[in-house]
Formats: sequence, C-alpha cells, structure tokens
Amino acid sequence: GDSVTQMEGPVTLSEEAFLTINCTYTATGYPSLFWYVQYPGEGLQLLLKATKADDKGSNKGFEATYRKETTSFHLEKGSVQVSDSAVYFCALSDLEDSSYKLIFGSGTRLLVRP
Amino acid sequence: EAGVTQFPSHSVIEKGQTVTLRCDPISGHDNLYWYRRVMGKEIKFLLHFVKESKQDESGMPNNRFLAERTGGTYSTLKVQPAELEDSGVYFCASSRTGYNQPQHFGDGTRLSIL
Repeated sequence: GDSVTQMEGPVTLSEEAFLTINCTYTATGYPSLFWYVQYPGEGLQLLLKATKADDKGSNKGFEATYRKETTSFHLEKGSVQVSDSAVYFCALSDLEDSSYKLIFGSGTRLLVRP
Repeated sequence: EAGVTQFPSHSVIEKGQTVTLRCDPISGHDNLYWYRRVMGKEIKFLLHFVKESKQDESGMPNNRFLAERTGGTYSTLKVQPAELEDSGVYFCASSRTGYNQPQHFGDGTRLSIL
C-alpha cells in the first residue's frame, strides 16, 4: 500500500539556519504531495502542496519540489525563525483513491533556538 | 468562515468506559474525515463521509468504534468500550467535493484512557 517516510526528529537548529526535512513516498498511483504543520496547541495546517512531477510548492519561505524519479518531497527553508518551531508532517493523497484520504508520515519536530 | 471545530479538546476516561467525540465541519463541506495519531506515530486515516454516507471506513480499527454523521452536518465518533491502546489525538478534517480540494483540520481531541 501507499506510505510516507520522513526523517525522525527532533531537529534542533539555531535561528537563521538552513532547514531540510526529508520525505520519501511509495504510491501505486500518481499522488499529490503535501506538507502539513502543527504549531504547539493548534491543529494541522496545510503548509504547501504539489500535484504533479517537478511542481514546487511554496509558502511562508518553505519550499518542496515533487521529485518523481526519487519519489521524494523534501521540505526546505533558507533561514528558520523561532516561530517555525512545530511538528511537520509529510503526506500524500492518491488520486486513484476515490476518498482522497491523506496518508501521513510520522512527523518531524523542529525546534528553533534564538 | 468558521473552521473545523472539535469537542472536547481533551478527554480522560477509564478503560471500559464510553466516550463520544464530536466534529463540526466547515459549512458547505460535504467531505468529512476522521484521523488519529497514537503515541507520536504517524497520523492514520479512520474513515471518510460524503454527506451522511460512509464512503470509506477501511481505517476503523475494530467494532468498538462507531462513527455517524446524521443529516450530513456534524459527526460523532464513539468508542465503546475504550481500551488503553485507544489513547491518542483524534483529528477531524473537512473539504469541499472535487479534485485536489484541501482538507481543513480541527485542533483535535486528545483522548487519554487510564
């Protein structure tokens, strides 16, 4: 079945450091890919998405590129801020699945220190 | 527009008791999803409603879980009787119908079984 694997955390960075959170996927169909973020005490928020190969999703300085050849969707940010501290989830939705349900990775906690 | 609302935010019950979680989706969203995250692992799909009908309940763990969406508005998820392994955070999400419509999540209900 479909699955998502993302790097284990926690990831601890200093403010203004470069961030990469790795995400790879396995899918039988042609999935759409997502990054969701959960800030402390809040629910999940869609951060960015990409629906086809080579698409780049971007939002709030975060970027991720849909790489079909490596089945990856790594999250990057050039300069993190303390306010980026959160749990980040990579997810896919297989368009051959009529329910469009999301399949998530296990989440990566990011802690940014001043 | 108001977001997805879940109630309660936290529930603590003893093993063997019954608990009912509620989700109010965004008005006009026909699709309603339940997910849960257990013990810091990945967020897993439970089931999907389209209006009042169950479209996909392949993720429901066993018959102790009962989900309803009478009238196609709010949904309830009942756990009866609760077991220790049911502890976790239960998320609800809703979306409009159509290709690649984003799922909007509530803040979740943290369920603790003692």
